[in-house]
Amino acid sequence: DTGVSQDPRHKITKRGQNVTFRCDPISEHNRLYWYRQTLGQGPEFLTYFQNEAQLEKSRLLSDRFSAERPKGSFSTLEIQRTEQGDSAMYLCASSFGQTYGYTFGSGTRLTVV
Amino acid sequence: AQKITQTQPGMFVQEKEAVTLDCTYDTSDQSYGLFWYKQPSSGEMIFLIYQGSYDEQNATEGRYSLNFQKARKSANLVISASQLGDSAMYFCAMREGGQGAQKLVFGQGTRLTINP
Repeated sequence: DTGVSQDPRHKITKRGQNVTFRCDPISEHNRLYWYRQTLGQGPEFLTYFQNEAQLEKSRLLSDRFSAERPKGSFSTLEIQRTEQGDSAMYLCASSFGQTYGYTFGSGTRLTVV
Repeated sequence: AQKITQTQPGMFVQEKEAVTLDCTYDTSDQSYGLFWYKQPSSGEMIFLIYQGSYDEQNATEGRYSLNFQKARKSANLVISASQLGDSAMYFCAMREGGQGAQKLVFGQGTRLTINP
């Protein structure tokens, strides 16, 4: 297993378009997290799944954002009607059970023009 | 109020010197965990070290150690014998609560540059 995989690595989109990102966690990890990191800041929590259940969502996750993990394996994060303020790095992480560390992917860098 | 404060936006250190990156935290929970992550320019967050609030010994992982001062709510990262490859952003993070707590709260980070 090569770790947490995110696709695409980079995405440039026009304002108002919809975008979807994919995260493939480490196969035996049952927990999956999405974070957003803007330039010069630390990552901010967006949402968390245990298996296929979405157990917590941040207030940062507006109605334009939706995340799914349909079979408890990979996850998608969709942003509808993108805005310039959505430009950021979107990081995915996974873990197994209660953990002392999370494994992060390399992120998807979104630029909205 | 900031839950994690990293007061050093940037640090410059000569190769082979030791470096201390500061982190203070704010929580009213008795059970919490403190983490340090390294983020190179590639973007991936690399886990370095963990300290639990009930751990009596300071955590160590190779060249990394965590100077945990609970009464001062301080969790500084010490890197011994720095290397050029240590140049990166470093983030301190906290997980609050015991079983079931999952969310990490990150500080703003410190950019460490190792000079040859």
